[in-house]
Amino acid sequence: AQSVTQPDIHITVSEGASLELRCNYSYGATPYLFWYVQSPGQGLQLLLKYFSGDTLVQGIKGFEAEFKRSQSSFNLRKPSVHWSDAAEYFCAVGEGFQKLVFGTGTRLLVSP
Amino acid sequence: IAGITQAPTSQILAAGRRMTLRCTQDMRHNAMYWYRQDLGLGLRLIHYSNTAGTTGKGEVPDGYSVSRANTDDFPLTLASAVPSQTSVYFCASSDSSSTDTQYFGPGTRLTVL
Repeated sequence: AQSVTQPDIHITVSEGASLELRCNYSYGATPYLFWYVQSPGQGLQLLLKYFSGDTLVQGIKGFEAEFKRSQSSFNLRKPSVHWSDAAEYFCAVGEGFQKLVFGTGTRLLVSP
Repeated sequence: IAGITQAPTSQILAAGRRMTLRCTQDMRHNAMYWYRQDLGLGLRLIHYSNTAGTTGKGEVPDGYSVSRANTDDFPLTLASAVPSQTSVYFCASSDSSSTDTQYFGPGTRLTVL
């Protein structure tokens, strides 16, 4: 069965500093991988997705993620964090017909 | 374009009562999904529908039922609510392709007492 691990429950980053959120997955074949963001009281919004091709994927809001098959990882990065990036971030892997398996999420706090 | 709407926004329900959570999308997507979100567990798939007239079970289907009479609507029913069904419920939809993005509704916060 597929699974996703987000090892960091909370991360605090200073505004303007770089960010990396970790995601490791377990899947037998080439996975479909996603990062979603959830602002407080809101639904989930897709940041970026990887299906095939270039392993460095660009997303919205200045985010990017890199697929590393050898490490079974799909870490999310941003070079300079803004206060508005404070939210919860979910990594997910696609199973079958788009049935997503989500990680437990990482809550990002941004300090001034 | 509204995208996905869910109703109600929140609800407090007595245990044993029947409850239907509504979900409507206006994007003409074939596939629709119901997830529940619980602290520390992320989102878990309850039921899904690949196209109107078909449904399937997800990871945590027990105590829930769904129907898909048409493309736009995908209601989730709790026949006899229990406190462990207290959660935030999200409806989502996507087009037919397995590579297509899932779009999420704003969620319904349900409390079962």
